[in-house]
Amino acid sequence: AQTVTQSQPEMSVQEAETVTLSCTYDTSESDYYLFWYKQPPSRQMILVIRQEAYKQQNATENRFSVNFQKAAKSFSLKISDSQLGDAAMYFCAYMEYGNKLVFGAGTILRVKS
Amino acid sequence: EAGVAQSPRYKIIEKRQSVAFWCNPISGHATLYWYQQILGQGPKLLIQFQNNGVVDDSQLPKDRFSAERLKGVDSTLKIQPAKLEDSAVYLCASSLSRGEKTDTQYFGPGTRLTVL
Repeated sequence: AQTVTQSQPEMSVQEAETVTLSCTYDTSESDYYLFWYKQPPSRQMILVIRQEAYKQQNATENRFSVNFQKAAKSFSLKISDSQLGDAAMYFCAYMEYGNKLVFGAGTILRVKS
Repeated sequence: EAGVAQSPRYKIIEKRQSVAFWCNPISGHATLYWYQQILGQGPKLLIQFQNNGVVDDSQLPKDRFSAERLKGVDSTLKIQPAKLEDSAVYLCASSLSRGEKTDTQYFGPGTRLTVL
């Protein structure tokens, strides 16, 4: 079974600085998708960014970018110019064909003003 | 566009009681998912519907959990009887599923269940 590991239970970043959240996964598949979801205290899960495994180019969405290392099965999220609104729980997730999502345990991100 | 709706937002019950959660997906979304999120963990898929048919219920504890999606729209998830370990947030999500290899899942606000 596929597994997703987020080794950082909690991270802190100063407002306007950059922070990187780590994620590793285990799979024997070659074609899959990876996601980062944000879950603020209100609990509504929001998609931040997605990466398709067959694409070598790292995905970016405004201040959010990923470092996708397929051989190492690593998928980290970089948040640039951190804002107070970025404070949330961040989940890394793996999806294979059939749309089944497997989530990591999450990383709490705290943003200091 | 309205998002995924869930009710109730909070529920407190005694163990061995029954409880039901309701979900209304985004209009036009064919696929609906129920996840269980225990405190401190990531969401775990319980069941996946494609229209009103079950695609995957391999992690649903079928001795106490049941779910249905009548007419391929709204869905209900029921627990009977509840156990202490069922305390969790139950998340509903939906996706368009236009036949593409994968679709973005959109999540509702969840129902926080506390079993005493």
